[in-house]
Amino acid sequence: KAGVTQTPRYLIKTRGQQVTLSCSPISGHRSVSWYQQTPGQGLQFLFEYFSETQRNKGNFPGRFSGRQFSNSRSEMNVSTLELGDSALYLCASSGGGLTTDTQYFGPGTRLTVL
Amino acid sequence: QQPVQSPQAVILREGEDAVINCSSSKALYSVHWYRQKHGEAPVFLMILLKGGEQKGHEKISASFNEKKQQSSLYLTASQLSYSGTYFCGTGYGSGNTGKLIFGQGTTLQVKP
Repeated sequence: KAGVTQTPRYLIKTRGQQVTLSCSPISGHRSVSWYQQTPGQGLQFLFEYFSETQRNKGNFPGRFSGRQFSNSRSEMNVSTLELGDSALYLCASSGGGLTTDTQYFGPGTRLTVL
Repeated sequence: QQPVQSPQAVILREGEDAVINCSSSKALYSVHWYRQKHGEAPVFLMILLKGGEQKGHEKISASFNEKKQQSSLYLTASQLSYSGTYFCGTGYGSGNTGKLIFGQGTTLQVKP
């Protein structure tokens, strides 16, 4: 079974621009969660999508948004980029999106904002 | 609400043992352990559930103390490949949610 894939792997943007990141979960998985990882803040939960619906949201500004498609692929968008948005963005998929389900991480998208 | 991991860092020689702890101030329903090597994605190690069920790698052992709201990961006879940063992710409530809150990580370095 193919793992979680994320595209692109690396991105360089300038302040004020917007960016869209993509995540394809493991086949059959219906839940996709997004995390931001930075050296200072560690792994922080952004949001979770299940069956095309946002089910949970972390403590991030409205500039961070996402969506999920009928095939469970998910995208996240960051508008009006700030320097502090530079981070590794990870998505994780799980089958049923339960607290008890194993989440499998993708390789991440490294975003650099200049 | 973020769980606290201890120690923050540990250095071992090959063959030595280590214990990494994860403590929460809130009642836990599940604890998920991951290892991340530099520049790579976190890799699933083990999940421990309220009630005692465990799922994960055969060579990794862990415990979950529901009363103390604490989990410990035991790394025995460490190998060079064990080096990396270990994260615990905590799940609260038995509801339908994939949200995990992660600790700040424990960096493990195994030397020959």
